[in-house]
Amino acid sequence: QSVLTQPPSVSAAPGQKVTISCSGSSSNIGNNYVSWYQQLPGTAPKLLIYDNNKRPSGIPDRFSGSKSGTSATLGITGLLTGDEADYYCGTWDKSLSAYVFGSGTKVTVL
Amino acid sequence: QVHLVQSGAEVKKPGASVKVSCKISGYTLVELSIHWVRQAPEKGLEWIGGFDPEHGETIYAQKFQGRVTMPEDTSTDTAYMELSSLRSEDTAVYFCAVSPPINLPTWFDPWGLGTLVTVSS
Repeated sequence: QSVLTQPPSVSAAPGQKVTISCSGSSSNIGNNYVSWYQQLPGTAPKLLIYDNNKRPSGIPDRFSGSKSGTSATLGITGLLTGDEADYYCGTWDKSLSAYVFGSGTKVTVL
Repeated sequence: QVHLVQSGAEVKKPGASVKVSCKISGYTLVELSIHWVRQAPEKGLEWIGGFDPEHGETIYAQKFQGRVTMPEDTSTDTAYMELSSLRSEDTAVYFCAVSPPINLPTWFDPWGLGTLVTVSS
């Protein structure tokens, strides 16, 4: 089991908004930066959000990140069919002395 | 712009070792912190280990300690991940990825395309 908990799946119609939660603890999210990754089918993960809420160059502002306490959230607005992918959160865990990923969330555009 | 090129797919028997390479271009290896992440079929991402620039050493997830090494060849800007005593559960795609070269990993970007390692008798 992952130490970071994500919902297995979320879905919405094109143009709508989805949010993906990532729940952890004080040993990980509570005291470290969170990043988010998008993994399209059959491809390598791609960084979407780093340091809780920053977007790398080239990532559209439809993607946003936030953190509060021991939880983080990824938001995707204006859903496109091309957003169908698996999304993972990640952060350093001090207790485990390891980088940990969330369990992953599959986004489906209805 | 950093670019990572990984070696090709491998098929190994249980008990054998595998060595996956990750060739860096656009930067030199000494400027980067390389990490390795794997993904078993239909499963999530799992961090294996990587270089901790703050302490100048390679760190490994406890699960892999004693079974994995991550040597680097700075003359060719190539990083390696060698996993020994392979078992069927090690069948996965292995990714190399770049982490900010300042402290413990906070994010990974970019990623290599991945190397499929299949362990089967």
